[in-house]
Amino acid sequence: DTAVSQTPKYLVTQMGNDKSIKCEQNLGHDTMYWYKQDSKKFLKIMFSYNNKELIINETVPNRFSPKSPDKAHLNLHINSLELGDSAVYFCASSRSAGTSGPRPHNEQFFGPGTRLTVL
Amino acid sequence: GQQVMQIPQYQHVQEGEDFTTYCNSSTTLSNIQWYKQRPGGHPVFLIQLVKSGEVKKQKRLTFQFGEAKKNSSLHITATQTTDVGTYFCAGRGGKLIFGQGTELSVKP
Repeated sequence: DTAVSQTPKYLVTQMGNDKSIKCEQNLGHDTMYWYKQDSKKFLKIMFSYNNKELIINETVPNRFSPKSPDKAHLNLHINSLELGDSAVYFCASSRSAGTSGPRPHNEQFFGPGTRLTVL
Repeated sequence: GQQVMQIPQYQHVQEGEDFTTYCNSSTTLSNIQWYKQRPGGHPVFLIQLVKSGEVKKQKRLTFQFGEAKKNSSLHITATQTTDVGTYFCAGRGGKLIFGQGTELSVKP
């Protein structure tokens, strides 16, 4: 019973290609996120969606475009991949403030990560 | 903009020794969270602190939130090899900002 799942787990591709990473959560959360973790393990938020609406859009190149077809899915499409895009990309989800539950509302549940290598 | 600094970046300890990581924010936080990421794994939520001066314990782990709500610490007593991993603080001002993490290695 995977709570937050991502595909693929590994992605090796050439510079200039376009690729997508998919994320799904079955926790009933309405907020989802994409994070980039570089080789120094620094976790940087890229995007956040709440109820399919973009609420956080950090300084990320236009080549990165998130898409949320519904509350349970948040995909990340990357155009014209560059060497510097190599990293581990984590999807995460949380429930919103004002919703009930036994845990803090903004506890983030992370997916297993997608290791992207651009050659 | 809001920044969250975490030190040290690395800590190597002998099994049984204590370990502490510190987190400082440039702005007052509404709450702070701590996560653990095992090698090759993903961040997993440990705890959230909300109140000024709050102290919470989870077995050998002690979490503190500063009086001014701008700093926090995680202390592990008598480390074990299972404690290995990277510990992140994440402070919430407007959005959640992660610290750089402290990578803990434990020598048996």
